[in-house]
Amino acid sequence: DAKTTQPPSMDCAEGRAANLPCNHSTISGNEYVYWYRQIHSQGPQYIIHGLKNNETNEMASLIITEDRKSSTLILPHATLRDTAVYYCIVRFNNAGNMLTFGGGTRLMVKP
Amino acid sequence: GAVVSQHPSRVICKSGTSVKIECRSLDFQATTMFWYRQFPKQSLMLMATSNEGSKATYEQGVEKDKFLINHASLTLSTLTVTSAHPEDSSFYICSALPSGGNTIYFGEGSWLTVV
Repeated sequence: DAKTTQPPSMDCAEGRAANLPCNHSTISGNEYVYWYRQIHSQGPQYIIHGLKNNETNEMASLIITEDRKSSTLILPHATLRDTAVYYCIVRFNNAGNMLTFGGGTRLMVKP
Repeated sequence: GAVVSQHPSRVICKSGTSVKIECRSLDFQATTMFWYRQFPKQSLMLMATSNEGSKATYEQGVEKDKFLINHASLTLSTLTVTSAHPEDSSFYICSALPSGGNTIYFGEGSWLTVV
C-alpha cells in the first residue's frame, strides 16, 4: 500500500472548518483513500473513504485532487469532541488487506 | 453502522499468567479480523491477520506462540497473551472486515497491564 504524509499537528477554532491535508503521491489507480480518527484511549473510528470522486457523509467531506496525489478531509464545523488523531490511509480494497497506520495528524479544536 | 466489541476493556494480570481478549462483530459477519497493538503516544502496529477457520498470519517480529489468535467463527476472534510480561502492557485493538465489504471497523480497544 502507498505511503501517506500528514502534518503531525493542527489547531482549529471551534465552529470553524477543519481542513486536514494528506499527501499520497505514490498512490496507484486501484487504491482507495481512507480516513479514520482516534480519540484518546479509544479504537479508531471510520470517517470516510473515496477513490476518485469527492465524497461527503454526515461526518465529513473528502476532497481528492484530480491527479489523486493528495486529499483533504474537511470537518465543516469542528467541535471540541472532534479533537483526535486523524489518520489518512491508502489501501487496496482486496479482501483481507489490512490498514497500515502512519503517524496521523493530531487535531486540537480550541474554544 | 457496523459495531465491533472488545472484552475486557481493561485487564490487569500477573507476570507469567495468560490473558484472553475477545473481539466480536455484533451486527455483521467478518471473514477477516486484524489485531493491532498501540504503545503510548505511538501509532497502531499490526500484529496479525486472522481469517475464520484458518491459522493467523503474523507480522514480522510478533511471536505467534506468545500471542495466540483464534478465529473460530465469523463473529468472534480471540487474542491470548501467554506468559505475560510487563513489556506486554499495551493497548490492544481488534478490527473486522465485513464479509463481502471493503471498510474495516475497529473495536474499542483493550488495555492490558501486566504487573
